[in-house]
Amino acid sequence: SQQGEEDPQALSIQEGENATMNCSYKTSINNLQWYRQNSGRGLVHLILIRSNEREKHSGRLRVTLDTSKKSSSLLITASRAADTASYFCAPRDNDMRFGAGTRLTVKP
Amino acid sequence: EAQVTQNPRYLITVTGKKLTVTCSQNMNHEYMSWYRQDPGLGLRQIYYSMNVEVTDKGDVPEGYKVSRKEKRNFPLILESPSPNQTSLYFCASSLEGRDQPQHFGDGTRLSIL
Repeated sequence: SQQGEEDPQALSIQEGENATMNCSYKTSINNLQWYRQNSGRGLVHLILIRSNEREKHSGRLRVTLDTSKKSSSLLITASRAADTASYFCAPRDNDMRFGAGTRLTVKP
Repeated sequence: EAQVTQNPRYLITVTGKKLTVTCSQNMNHEYMSWYRQDPGLGLRQIYYSMNVEVTDKGDVPEGYKVSRKEKRNFPLILESPSPNQTSLYFCASSLEGRDQPQHFGDGTRLSIL
């Protein structure tokens, strides 16, 4: 199993701007999942992208996956104050591990 | 409502006093897992269970025990808690299979004095 590493560790933007978070991992995967965590609460699943997919959309979320570079990105468009949270990627092979996350702050 | 329920949500206790954190899910999920979350370290898996009576160590199992006697319950046991086990703990569950998302409880904040 392996851990995803999110970058940057923290990101601060204004409401309405786009937010991009990146994730790198080390070995081959079956899929990669993104989760959100509001302060002190449990993680909430956002989106799953399979290893044979390159891009996936869900509402204002866009996820890309580049298996040749072993990296993924999460784009949140037209951000809102309610998007303020920590975001985690979880590369999945036989098991799933979470990194330290990206702390996103969206200022009203 | 589909959910993962942890109890207690908060606990302050002393070194050496055995405690159990309960976790229950109502989604008939085969897979259940315990994580601890510490600042700067992200979530680290303690134990997981693929199904009833099947449990395996995660990355940080030392000082913890689990059991899976029923599908819905997956308690975490600290036989002799120590201050380095002060942390935020999460239980999660999912259907069997690699492409299944995990559902998380709201967490248990443990302070061991």
